[in-house]
Amino acid sequence: SQQGEEDPQALSIQEGENATMNCSYKTSINNLQWYRQNSGRGLVHLILIRSNEREKHSGRLRVTLDTSKKSSSLLITASRAADTASYFCAPTGFGNSGTYKYIFGTGTRLKVLA
Amino acid sequence: GAGVSQSPSNKVTEKGKDVELRCDPISGHTALYWYRQSLGQGLEFLIYFQGNSAPDKSGLPSDRFSAERTGGSVSTLTIQRTQQEDSAVYLCASSIPTGTSGGAGLSYEQFFGPGTRLTVL
Repeated sequence: SQQGEEDPQALSIQEGENATMNCSYKTSINNLQWYRQNSGRGLVHLILIRSNEREKHSGRLRVTLDTSKKSSSLLITASRAADTASYFCAPTGFGNSGTYKYIFGTGTRLKVLA
Repeated sequence: GAGVSQSPSNKVTEKGKDVELRCDPISGHTALYWYRQSLGQGLEFLIYFQGNSAPDKSGLPSDRFSAERTGGSVSTLTIQRTQQEDSAVYLCASSIPTGTSGGAGLSYEQFFGPGTRLTVL
């Protein structure tokens, strides 16, 4: 199993500012995914970065991965009130057997103030 | 196409009763996961099904919890003799491998259902 630990636990910023969330993990991975959750319901996949990638962009999202430090960061630029949500990382281990088991952390609760 | 669906969306039950929660994964997805999330907490892994392999039940908190997946599609999570501490949102997710078997390997993006909010009185 893999487990991601997000940091900080809570983050409050003004609209238009950038938000940075970090994720650390302990074992080897072949990719890492970030998810978003609104109002305690289902998670939505945001972005996936593979272990052979160092940075990836998707719209206002920028994800970095440092496998030597076993860490990743999610940057949301020009934040909006609608970005208010909890954000989770999900490290994914090696193997083609499909026996991945995602162990999500408690997430980072982001609040964007209008 | 349709996403992952779960039913019921809300369930209120009395302590000691049994409940069944249903998950309809995305058609063709071979993997299915159940999670539990208590208020303000992270997701707690419960059980994982992958194709015809034996499920990984290592996250089930007690023998009151069981799950099955019929025909590799629909899954039912059953909680017997419910307790108040079972109150939580139960989330189901399905996935299918993407990518290649070489290089950085396969990846499994999970698609989540909206969850079932269980309240045990």
